[in-house]
Amino acid sequence: DAGVIQSPRHEVTEMGQEVTLRCKPISGHDYLFWYRQTMMRGLELLIYFNNNVPIDDSGMPEDRFSAKMPNASFSTLKIQPSEPRDSAVYFCASTIQGGGEKLFFGSGTQLSVL
Amino acid sequence: EDQVTQSPEALRLQEGESSSLNCSYTVSGLRGLFWYRQDPGKGPEFLFTLYSAGEEKEKERLKATLTKKESFLHITAPKPEDSATYLCAVQARGNTPLVFGKGTRLSVIA
Repeated sequence: DAGVIQSPRHEVTEMGQEVTLRCKPISGHDYLFWYRQTMMRGLELLIYFNNNVPIDDSGMPEDRFSAKMPNASFSTLKIQPSEPRDSAVYFCASTIQGGGEKLFFGSGTQLSVL
Repeated sequence: EDQVTQSPEALRLQEGESSSLNCSYTVSGLRGLFWYRQDPGKGPEFLFTLYSAGEEKEKERLKATLTKKESFLHITAPKPEDSATYLCAVQARGNTPLVFGKGTRLSVIA
């Protein structure tokens, strides 16, 4: 298996632009998580899905952030409009129920908002 | 609110110099404590899960231990390839998502 695949690896955009991050989880995994990592705050959970259904989005910082999972093999995290404080590394992770929370992470998307 | 505090923030060791990383936690009923390793430019990679006080897990030069309030990651005779950020996370009962600490950046110098 190729693991969790995220795209793009790097994204540089200007304030006010729309940003879309993409994630393909490991086949057969029924949980998908979006995390954001910064030096100041560490790794923070934004939202997670179970069987394509959003379970908890309380970590989404504000209405500018939205996430979807239209099917078991694809998820997006969208920021509109983007702001400089959104600059961070965004990780997607997946796991299988009963997997002892052994999360499998993608390589992340480094987002820079100028 | 579940919290995880890791110390030190950064640690620099000579090759072969053993040491320990600390993870203190507060959680409303611990289901599991997890250690991950993160290399620069990559996502965290799972190392261990500990479920109850007194439990220990080992992998090569790493050994993780757990008490009711904290966990230690002991590194014996480290090598430069052990350089990475080590993350600790806790999961409360009820199948809630993991809460991560900020990590310890370990540098092992040859």
